[in-house]
Amino acid sequence: KQEVTQIPAALSVPEGENLVLNCSFTDSAIYNLQWFRQDPGKGLTSLLLIQSSQREQTSGRLNASLDKSSGRSTLYIAASQPGDSATYLCAVSYNFNKFYFGSGTKLNVKP
Amino acid sequence: GAVVSQHPSWVICKSGTSVKIECRSLDFQATTMFWYRQFPKQSLMLMATSNEGSKATYEQGVEKDKFLINHASLTLSTLTVTSAHPEDSSFYICSARPGTDYEQYFGPGTRLTVT
Repeated sequence: KQEVTQIPAALSVPEGENLVLNCSFTDSAIYNLQWFRQDPGKGLTSLLLIQSSQREQTSGRLNASLDKSSGRSTLYIAASQPGDSATYLCAVSYNFNKFYFGSGTKLNVKP
Repeated sequence: GAVVSQHPSWVICKSGTSVKIECRSLDFQATTMFWYRQFPKQSLMLMATSNEGSKATYEQGVEKDKFLINHASLTLSTLTVTSAHPEDSSFYICSARPGTDYEQYFGPGTRLTVT
């Protein structure tokens, strides 16, 4: 059974701090992994997509890494801002169609 | 680019009635669309996958006669919740994937409340 776990469930940091969100998955034979942001009551915004052959992807202040052998991915956010406050979801795909989502990390960046 | 819309954004219906939710890809053709459900403080759970012109594939535990999915065109999929009950109250999110891309693009979601 494929399971995706995100730690921590919630995180509160002061503005300007660098932070790391963690995602682990039980089956390492993934097709790709995607990080999303969800604001309260809203849909999902895609942040980064990592194919199984890649080890990391970067977009602005965000960097996502993938270690398939250990079943882990991290999302690094540099110089956090209050506008980064949201829930961050990790989703793993195994067969091109189905994504398994983690339960998310709720981030609060304090001004 | 890659915008997915949903309509309505929120709906309240009475128990026993049916409600239809639309998912549209606005600037690309989506050969595959997905429907997810999200309960409060929980993550997204895939309900079904639909390919244009084909019957939807439902996940285990999802009643296909209760959640009717139609993917009649490359830009539109609909989810109809039939004979809705209060336990169907949830946040329903669709996503769409262009045929030549691996990334899913998500809609803004529809909040369904059944009274």
